[in-house]
Amino acid sequence: NAGVMQNPRHLVRRRGQEARLRCSPMKGHSHVYWYRQLPEEGLKFMVYLQKENIIDESGMPKERFSAEFPKEGPSILRIQQVVRGDSAAYFCASSLRQGEAAGELFFGEGSRLTVL
Amino acid sequence: AQKITQTQPGMFVQEKEAVTLDCTYDTSDPSYGLFWYKQPSSGEMIFLIYQGSYDQQNATEGRYSLNFQKARKSANLVISASQLGDSAMYFCAMRVGAGNMLTFGGGTRLMVKP
Repeated sequence: NAGVMQNPRHLVRRRGQEARLRCSPMKGHSHVYWYRQLPEEGLKFMVYLQKENIIDESGMPKERFSAEFPKEGPSILRIQQVVRGDSAAYFCASSLRQGEAAGELFFGEGSRLTVL
Repeated sequence: AQKITQTQPGMFVQEKEAVTLDCTYDTSDPSYGLFWYKQPSSGEMIFLIYQGSYDQQNATEGRYSLNFQKARKSANLVISASQLGDSAMYFCAMRVGAGNMLTFGGGTRLMVKP
């Protein structure tokens, strides 16, 4: 049973380009969460999605960032016109239901974005 | 608003000794959960242990135990018999209410000396 799969693991972009990060949740999981980790910091919540719905995007920057979780296919975190400050590790997590106890929230290995 | 504080940016421990990593939290919600994650140099987030706010006993998972002091709002992680492979960043996190959104502390870098 595959875990949460994120790709690419590493992505390099020049300023002004677009970055697309993909997350395939664990099989059967319909809740997806994106977190961002700046160097030497803890993870910060960005957005919580269920299939075809954004439930909570309180942690998403208002501009240039968007996320989706379509009915078919992976969840996508999209960053337009990237800037150097977007360089970070982006983690996806998934769960079967909301409000799970520990061990039921599974993280992917992260996607590391470097903006030159 | 929720807040998690890890006051130790870095810790050293001798191999085979026990170590305590501090974590304090702040929330006004009576229902919450506390998590510890390990992040090795490879970068993945590895779940270690969980404590629910209504759990009567401190959580234990193998060499990991959580020293939960509700009145002090602390949830320290104790690692017994440290191993070289325990060298990593350790993050404390909290979930409030029914949601799955976690608030993370700033982390503690643990270094195990041979």
